[in-house]
Order: sequence, then structure tokens, then C-alpha cells
Amino acid sequence: EIVLTQSPGTLSLSPGERATLSCRASHSVSSTYLAWYQQKPGQAPRLLIYGASIRATGIPDRFSGSGSGTDFTLTISSLEPEDFTVYYCQQYDRSQYTFGQGTKLEIK
Amino acid sequence: QVQLQQSGPGLVKPSQTLSLTCAISGDSVSSDSVAWNWIRQSPSRGLEWLGRTYYRSKWYSDYAVSVKRRITINADSSRNQASLQLKSVTPEDTAVYYCARNYYDITGYSFDSWGQGTQVTVSS
Repeated sequence: EIVLTQSPGTLSLSPGERATLSCRASHSVSSTYLAWYQQKPGQAPRLLIYGASIRATGIPDRFSGSGSGTDFTLTISSLEPEDFTVYYCQQYDRSQYTFGQGTKLEIK
Repeated sequence: QVQLQQSGPGLVKPSQTLSLTCAISGDSVSSDSVAWNWIRQSPSRGLEWLGRTYYRSKWYSDYAVSVKRRITINADSSRNQASLQLKSVTPEDTAVYYCARNYYDITGYSFDSWGQGTQVTVSS
């Protein structure tokens, strides 16, 4: 099983700042199989990025994804108040899916 | 637009079977470009994929190693729904359970649509 480790656990920033969230895999992951989600309290996760860098429908362009192999990044270029919540990465390998433990983005 | 409506009991006794249903609208459970997954979330285990079912001329299922001996995921084409059964539950199975779709032709191996979630508590 591929383990995804997200860092930092908590990121404290101010609106308007740039956020960089990391997702590191225990083994190489195909970019095709790497996705990012946003989850707000009491809601299901929402797909932000799939294929490591492709924004899902309706996702603002301040969200971008990059990376390859074992290191992937979600960047939010200029934080809006509604962006302060929890983010997860997810991968697929050999008929199994795993998620990272999440990064909480909080207002500084 | 696809909508996933979950139903099932919120309280299950230890050693019994957890059963949940995901009613699908706006898509077909037997479409050959999708899969239907069950995912759970708890404070101790985070987001955990449990398994999926999909139709490619016949039905297939894949399960997470952690629950493989206890889980069954089925689909009912006549009702356009997917279902989860988890046997011999313990308090560790307490979680919010979600159904979610893979739409391979568009968003690949990600989960683009989710049910509303069902809080399931295992307790006597």
C-alpha cells in the first residue's frame, strides 16, 4: 500500500497570501492517479485537482497542482476567506486507493 | 448532474452487519465508464477507501485489504443503486460513510461526486 504523507499538518496564513501544501508518497505514483480535495466541516470532500494538475469543473484558477513521482504540491495563489479548511491528497495504485492524513489551513 | 443519496441505519450493534445504500440519479450504475465506491472517515483512521464496484460486460468488485474479509459491495441495475455490507462490525467501524463515483472518461481515478455521508455508530 502506498502511504501518502501531507505536510505541514497545520498551515497558518493570512488572506491574500500564497499557500503551498505538500503530499509525499512512499512509492512513486503516476501523475494520472493523484488528486486533491477540499473538505469543509460537515461536508463531503470536494474534488479540486485530478491528474496531479487538472482543475476540476468550477474550481477557481487560484488553485493549482504540480509534481511527479513521490512529491506533489497543491498551491493556492492568493487565499480567500473560504479557503481556510482541510485539504487531502489521494492516489490510486493496483486497484487500491489511499488518502493523506490532511493539511488544515487556518487563519493567522 | 449526478446525485448520490445515501440511506441506512445510523446505529449498528457490535458483531452485526452494517448495510448502506447509495441511490444514483443522473447516471447509470451500470455505465461502463464509472465505478461506485465506498469511503469512510473517522478521527482515528482519516479517509479510508473501502472498495468499489463497476460494470464492464459483467460486474467486478475490488476491496481494501483492511476489510476484504468482511465487505461486500453490490449494484442493483433495476433500482440504479449501489450497496455496502460490512459484517462483524466493532466500535472501530464507527465512522461517517460515503459513496462516491469515479468517472474515468473525465476525471480519471479521482472521486468527482459524493453522497451526503452517513454517520454510523457501532454500539450496544
